Amino acid sequence: AQTVTQSQPEMSVQEAETVTLSCTYDTSESDYYLFWYKQPPSRQMILVIRQEAYKQQNATENRFSVNFQKAAKSFSLKISDSQLGDAAMYFCAYRKEANFGNEKLTFGTGTRLTIIP
Amino acid sequence: EAGVTQSPTHLIKTRGQQATLRCSPISGHTSVYWYQQALGLGLQFLLWYDEGEERNRGNFPPRFSGRQFPNYSSELNVNALELEDSALYLCASSFASYGYTFGSGTRLTVV
Repeated sequence: AQTVTQSQPEMSVQEAETVTLSCTYDTSESDYYLFWYKQPPSRQMILVIRQEAYKQQNATENRFSVNFQKAAKSFSLKISDSQLGDAAMYFCAYRKEANFGNEKLTFGTGTRLTIIP
Repeated sequence: EAGVTQSPTHLIKTRGQQATLRCSPISGHTSVYWYQQALGLGLQFLLWYDEGEERNRGNFPPRFSGRQFPNYSSELNVNALELEDSALYLCASSFASYGYTFGSGTRLTVV
């Protein structure tokens, strides 16, 4: 079974600084997808970034980027120029390649990110 | 485009009762996923429905059940409620892709 581990229950960063959230996963699959989701106090899960395992290039979305190390099964999220609105729970998630369309997501336990003004 | 809609927003039940939670997916999405998020914990996979069929089930007892209707909306039923069932229940939908959209959840409190 696939597992996702986030070893940092809480992180904090000064506003405008850079922070990196860690995620490791375990799978025997070669094709899969990885995601970072953000959950603010509103409870809505918001997709931050996603990475296809077959792509060597790390995904980026504005201030958010990942460091995907397939051999090490590591998928960290870097947030640059941190803003107060980035404060939230961040979840790393895994999805294996689906044979026919959809497949469920497996989540880590989350990292609570606090932004210090 | 309307997002994933969950109802009710909050639900308070007594131990031993039954709870019914509802989810309306994004139009055109055929898959609905249910997750349980207990306070301070991550999301635990509960159930996945696609095209009206149960495709996968997480490690939860049989008193957690559900169904998907022809319009792809879904219902999660929790029978014989226990105190530890108190949690946020999130629904997500997707369509033949790796894009998932989540609802805002139902907060179930068992007293």
